[in-house]
Amino acid sequence: NFMLTQPHSVSESPGKTVTISCTGSSGSIASNYVQWYQQRPGSAPTTVIYEDKQRPSGVPDRFSGSIDSSSNSASLTISGLKTEDEADYYCQSYDSSHHSWVFGGGTKLTVL
Amino acid sequence: QVQLVESGGDLVKPGGSLRLSCAASGFIFSDYYMSWIRQAPGKGLDWISYISGSGTTIYYADSVRGRFTISRDNAKNSLYLQMDSLRADDTAVYYCARSIGIVVGIDYWGQGALVTVSS
Repeated sequence: NFMLTQPHSVSESPGKTVTISCTGSSGSIASNYVQWYQQRPGSAPTTVIYEDKQRPSGVPDRFSGSIDSSSNSASLTISGLKTEDEADYYCQSYDSSHHSWVFGGGTKLTVL
Repeated sequence: QVQLVESGGDLVKPGGSLRLSCAASGFIFSDYYMSWIRQAPGKGLDWISYISGSGTTIYYADSVRGRFTISRDNAKNSLYLQMDSLRADDTAVYYCARSIGIVVGIDYWGQGALVTVSS
């Protein structure tokens, strides 16, 4: 089955830029859209990126998404880091072969 | 504004059944796919099932197929998850979520309902 792999954790200082990767196991990650969800401790997830690079209203432009077909990966980049960005981030896409949604394992972002 | 409110979470014994509900408001319910996603304690997100706006397209994850049933009542703006033959590893927070299409993922999430399966 199609899988998405994320780093377990990343850390960076306030004001800096961090990039979280999401690598597809097979096929082309560009074949279906990738979404990114933020989950702060004790809260439900919220959507920060949809359709690879689109931001929902209310999500600051410090958040951006991209696809790199050469590495079969998607990336979430957060610039100008704030302590409030500290959260778990999950990528998600659609597995057409199995009509299923697939989530990455999640990346814990620490801003220190 | 869009609201998704889950209810029905509870403590249930292994082998038991439970029905979760998700009350939707603030949008035309029948225009959207709805799904259930769960999160075991300390773990990541795990997709369970989705249903099309009309209810004619339904898919399940292998882990719950044959035990869980997703349904919706568009007249009541409600989504349901009937969970049978529950096991300890079904213990999780269950989220309902909305999406405009199955390939574009989720745009709104509910706050979650806790299901605990334990004797």
